[in-house]
This record gives sequence, structure tokens and C-alpha cells, in this order.
Amino acid sequence: GAGVSQSPSNKVTEKGKDVELRCDPISGHTALYWYRQSLGQGLEFLIYFQGNSAPDKSGLPSDRFSAERTGGSVSTLTIQRTQQEDSAVYLCASSLMGSGYTFGSGTRLTVV
Amino acid sequence: TQLLEQSPQFLSIQEGENLTVYCNSSSVFSSLQWYRQEPGEGPVLLVTVVTGGEVKKLKRLTFQFGDARKDSSLHITAAQPGDTGLYLCAGADDKIIFGKGTRLHILP
Repeated sequence: GAGVSQSPSNKVTEKGKDVELRCDPISGHTALYWYRQSLGQGLEFLIYFQGNSAPDKSGLPSDRFSAERTGGSVSTLTIQRTQQEDSAVYLCASSLMGSGYTFGSGTRLTVV
Repeated sequence: TQLLEQSPQFLSIQEGENLTVYCNSSSVFSSLQWYRQEPGEGPVLLVTVVTGGEVKKLKRLTFQFGDARKDSSLHITAAQPGDTGLYLCAGADDKIIFGKGTRLHILP
């Protein structure tokens, strides 16, 4: 596609439920990143996929968070047993090695 | 831990004025990027600077990378309401680290 596509754009979920957030990167981009942005905060790195290499999961805040990237393309970020502190905008970006990121518009997650 | 400090956090100025925002770190980065983010959207890449001392111009925006590749500045000449947004700097090493941003508001 022309840009990075994220779905859903908004998600309201009850505390304790699991959620899945989807990212469709730009075709051909080998690198895919997930970030989290809370109100008044910068972008917090979560996880990074590069080609067929093992993902860099060093930013995942707890074992309730996981992500996968199937076929080197679409990625899904899963949050299990959501908590109110998980409420944030989750941003996905893709890039070619060494170039700047192209971001999606994000998924605004609200845990009530 | 690498950190990027951006200043000021907030800036509100009149249309037509000039301004400079800063991005500082104690770490050296292989490159530094500037993004602008508008409400409800993801950040959009403005520029990447790679060489210490490098200056890049994008219309009324001038970006400079410090000689030691630890800091950068963004200067806007004759600011316009369309410049309003959150300006983020990001330092690239093995992954990209973002600052918290400068929220800029240009008053018409």
C-alpha cells in the first residue's frame, strides 16, 4: 500500500480483556517497529522486527505484551489482560534499512 | 540509557516570528531525525542529518546537527499557523530513540 495502515483506529476495551492491534507496513520495507505514546510523553519503543532476524523485544513493558510479524509483512501486537495503564496510542512504523520511518496513524487504546 | 532532551517543551508565538528548538543528548548518534506530528496522526519525517556540523534547509526550516553528533537544532523563520504541531527529534543507533517533543503553537 501507499502508507502504513493500522487497525483499528480506536479501541475501547474492558480491563482484563485481551486486544490485538494490527499493522500493515509499506510493501518492501524490511523493518517494522511498534511504539507507544502516552499523553504528554514521547514515543516509547516497544519492539523491532528486521527481516528474518530475531525481533528486538527489549522495550516490551511486561510479559502481557507480545508481537509477531507473519511472512515479513503484517504485524500484530497483542496485549493480554489489559490494564488501565495500557491506555495510549500505539504507533507502528516501517522503514528500509538506514532510512527514516514512515508511521501509521496509530491505534488509540482506551482501557476502562 | 540513551536520552534525548528537547527544549522548550511548549512554545507559543505570533505568526511571522522566528524560533529555535533544541534537541540534546549525552550520547553520540549515527544520525538524527526530526519529525512533525499533528493531532490524530503519526509523526512525519522532516529530515535526517548524518554528518557532524551538517546543515539542511527545508523551505523556512533549518536543521543543524552538532559537530559532536550529540545535539541538533531546528530553526523556523517567519513562523506560520501551518507550522503548529509536535516536533520530535529522534537519534538513531541500533534503534531509534525519540525525545518527548516540543509542542509548537503559532498564533495567527
